[in-house]
Amino acid sequence: EAGVTQFPSHSVIEKGQTVTLRCDPISGHDNLYWYRRVMGKEIKFLLHFVKESKQDESGMPNNRFLAERTGGTYSTLKVQPAELEDSGVYFCASSQVVNYGYTFGSGTRLTVV
Amino acid sequence: AQSVTQPDIHITVSEGASLELRCNYSYGATPYLFWYVQSPGQGLQLLLKYFSGDTLVQGIKGFEAEFKRSQSSFNLRKPSVHWSDAAEYFCAVSRRQAGTALIFGKGTTLSVSS
Repeated sequence: EAGVTQFPSHSVIEKGQTVTLRCDPISGHDNLYWYRRVMGKEIKFLLHFVKESKQDESGMPNNRFLAERTGGTYSTLKVQPAELEDSGVYFCASSQVVNYGYTFGSGTRLTVV
Repeated sequence: AQSVTQPDIHITVSEGASLELRCNYSYGATPYLFWYVQSPGQGLQLLLKYFSGDTLVQGIKGFEAEFKRSQSSFNLRKPSVHWSDAAEYFCAVSRRQAGTALIFGKGTTLSVSS
């Protein structure tokens, strides 16, 4: 089966611009997660979708971050406007409800300059 | 507060030598426990997980981990390291419910010398 796919793999934007990250989960996986790792820190949870609904968005840092999951398929994470501290690697993961085990994508490296 | 500590930021091991990566957690109750590995340019790959039962867990690529409740530890081991094991290793925990968020440690980078 195809894995979790993230686009783009790298993005360099200027402070104040908008960036949209995309995640295509494994087909049939209802659960989709976003995580982020800023330099030197832990990988931290951002939010969790079950199908198209936000199950837990307690990790979203502020209202400059907007996540959507259209029709319970792919998800986007928009940062608007981007700040320097948003730089890091953004990971997406998906899982089936009954089969506990995340599959992670290879991440999007975001650099805000 | 819930947290995961990986005390070693960077470890260098000779090829063929044994490896142990340390992980300690702070959690209200015994959580689910995981080890992930990230090779350069790759995503996070699950090495092994512990939910219950036998406290010695076998994973992929010849790795194993032992859960010690009294020490709140879940150390990762491999008897003989290969050059391809050079990567970053992450310990993680979650609440004992499928689908909940993972809490990660800061990771340990493993270098393998020849």
